[in-house]
Amino acid sequence: KAGVTQTPRYLIKTRGQQVTLSCSPISGHRSVSWYQQTPGQGLQFLFEYFSETQRNKGNFPGRFSGRQFSNSRSEMNVSTLELGDSALYLCASSSSPGGRYEQYFGPGTRLTVT
Amino acid sequence: SQQGEEDPQALSIQEGENATMNCSYKTSINNLQWYRQNSGRGLVHLILIRSNEREKHSGRLRVTLDTSKKSSSLLITASRAADTASYFCATDPTPSGGSNYKLTFGKGTLLTVNP
Repeated sequence: KAGVTQTPRYLIKTRGQQVTLSCSPISGHRSVSWYQQTPGQGLQFLFEYFSETQRNKGNFPGRFSGRQFSNSRSEMNVSTLELGDSALYLCASSSSPGGRYEQYFGPGTRLTVT
Repeated sequence: SQQGEEDPQALSIQEGENATMNCSYKTSINNLQWYRQNSGRGLVHLILIRSNEREKHSGRLRVTLDTSKKSSSLLITASRAADTASYFCATDPTPSGGSNYKLTFGKGTLLTVNP
């Protein structure tokens, strides 16, 4: 089976712009979770989608949003980018919602906001 | 806030030695998982231990879980330079109500194995 893929791998944006990141889960996985990783805060949970429904959301401002399509592919969007949004964004897929089973991570998208 | 906290934050050992990392958490859990992350890449799942298990092995990895102390340890035996990575514990908390459980990660232990 192909692993989790994320596009793009690297991105440079300017403050105030918006960005859309994409994640394709492992075939058959219906759960996709998104995380933000920074040196200071570590891995922070953004949100999780299961069968096109957002079932959980972390403590992030409304500028961070996401969606999941019927083929389980997911996108996350960050509007009005701030310097502090520079981070590695990771998505993970699983066969079950939440943490009941292992999550499979993609390689991440490195976002730099200047 | 972080549910799991790894200790130590950093660990440097020589090849062939054993490495032990600890994880403490705050609430009751369904399971605890360990992940590895090589520099700047995605996380790789290592092992999952359920709350009713006390010890689990996978190759050179040994994980223990003490639910009374709310702690877990990851032992890597006969370490290799390729084991150099950050190691994270993640907990699947028992929901206090509703179904909004999610996997929560600690900040990790950076393991350096010197050749």
